[in-house]
Amino acid sequence: NAGVTQTPKFRILKIGQSMTLQCAQDMNHNYMYWYRQDPGMGLKLIYYSVGAGITDKGEVPNGYNVSRSTTEDFPLRLELAAPSQTSVYFCASSYASGAIVYEQYFGPGTRLTVT
Amino acid sequence: EDQVTQSPEALRLQEGESSSLNCSYTVSGLRGLFWYRQDPGKGPEFLFTLYSAGEEKEKERLKATLTKKESFLHITAPKPEDSATYLCVSKGDYKLSFGAGTTVTVRA
Repeated sequence: NAGVTQTPKFRILKIGQSMTLQCAQDMNHNYMYWYRQDPGMGLKLIYYSVGAGITDKGEVPNGYNVSRSTTEDFPLRLELAAPSQTSVYFCASSYASGAIVYEQYFGPGTRLTVT
Repeated sequence: EDQVTQSPEALRLQEGESSSLNCSYTVSGLRGLFWYRQDPGKGPEFLFTLYSAGEEKEKERLKATLTKKESFLHITAPKPEDSATYLCVSKGDYKLSFGAGTTVTVRA
């Protein structure tokens, strides 16, 4: 199993450009998440999904959009990039059954710089 | 409001010097308390899940324990390769809450 994969690893964007960060998992997990981590800071939840076709906002959703058309893929779209979106982005997935959510598996991250 | 607070923020240890990291949590209906390890430039890596007070889990030099208000990560006789940031995460009825992490540096 590849686990959670993310592309690209690095990206530099100009202010106002748009891009999509790709995330895929091959563990058949129903939950998927997007986080951002600013230098020296903790993880902040951007969006999450509890299954194909279902997404919800996290702590810091402004400036981002997501979709989940399949169990495996959970892309994150940045529209009109701003310097404040310079960060490392982590995708994660986990399995949940009823009220129990199991551990998350994280991807290697995408380092994004907006200038 | 659900909240997780980790202390200390940073911990410098000599190789072999055992210590403990603290995770205090306030959660509506704890569904699980998770510990992760994060190395610089990498995604967090799962270590343990604890579900109820009194539960303990061990892996090599690490041992995690849980009470009704706190979790501890004990590092016994640490080695330089245990240097990392350790994250505590709670899952309540409604959300996941992340601590800011404790950065552990182990000197040879």
